[in-house]
Amino acid sequence: EAGVTQFPSHSVIEKGQTVTLRCDPISGHDNLYWYRRVMGKEIKFLLHFVKESKQDESGMPNNRFLAERTGGTYSTLKVQPAELEDSGVYFCASSRGDPSGNTIYFGEGSWLTVV
Amino acid sequence: DQQVKQNSPSLRVQEGRISILNCDYTNSMFDYFLWYKKYPAEGPTFLISISSIKDKNEDGRFTVFLNKSAKHLSLHIVPSQPGDSAVYFCAASPISGSARQLTFGSGTQLTVLP
Repeated sequence: EAGVTQFPSHSVIEKGQTVTLRCDPISGHDNLYWYRRVMGKEIKFLLHFVKESKQDESGMPNNRFLAERTGGTYSTLKVQPAELEDSGVYFCASSRGDPSGNTIYFGEGSWLTVV
Repeated sequence: DQQVKQNSPSLRVQEGRISILNCDYTNSMFDYFLWYKKYPAEGPTFLISISSIKDKNEDGRFTVFLNKSAKHLSLHIVPSQPGDSAVYFCAASPISGSARQLTFGSGTQLTVLP
């Protein structure tokens, strides 16, 4: 079974540019989560999809961040325009139900560097 | 304001000895606690968890202890092995235990020396 895959693994962009991160969850997983780890700090929740619907986006930092999950399969997270403080690792995770955190599966993350 | 704190950013232990990773939390609504392990260039993977109704949970070489009155939990690895070298994240969630309500600590880099 393929795991959660994320693309790109690394991205370096200039301040003001746009970046789109993609996440392909494990097949059959209705729940998809985005998290972010900034500058070696804690991993923070961004948002949660159930199929194509946003269940909770309380962790999204501001309106420069837009997440979509058209068709309930893969998801994209767009940052536009990117700012320096957006640099970090963006993790995607998926789960079949919406269980406690011991049954969610993380991708390897997308490293974003804004210069 | 960090609700889950891992005050030691790094820990070095000799192979075969015990590794003790600590975690403190402030939110009394947290009811379920987890540890994740993360290798470089990989996502975090679940390691072990504990519910607030217990004070200890053991899985092979890994044991998690919970002291609710002190709002403190710890992960013990005995014996430590070089392959245990990774970043360990403590996480907590309220009684509903939803993955979207996970609050993570900042991680502790464990290095096990051969």
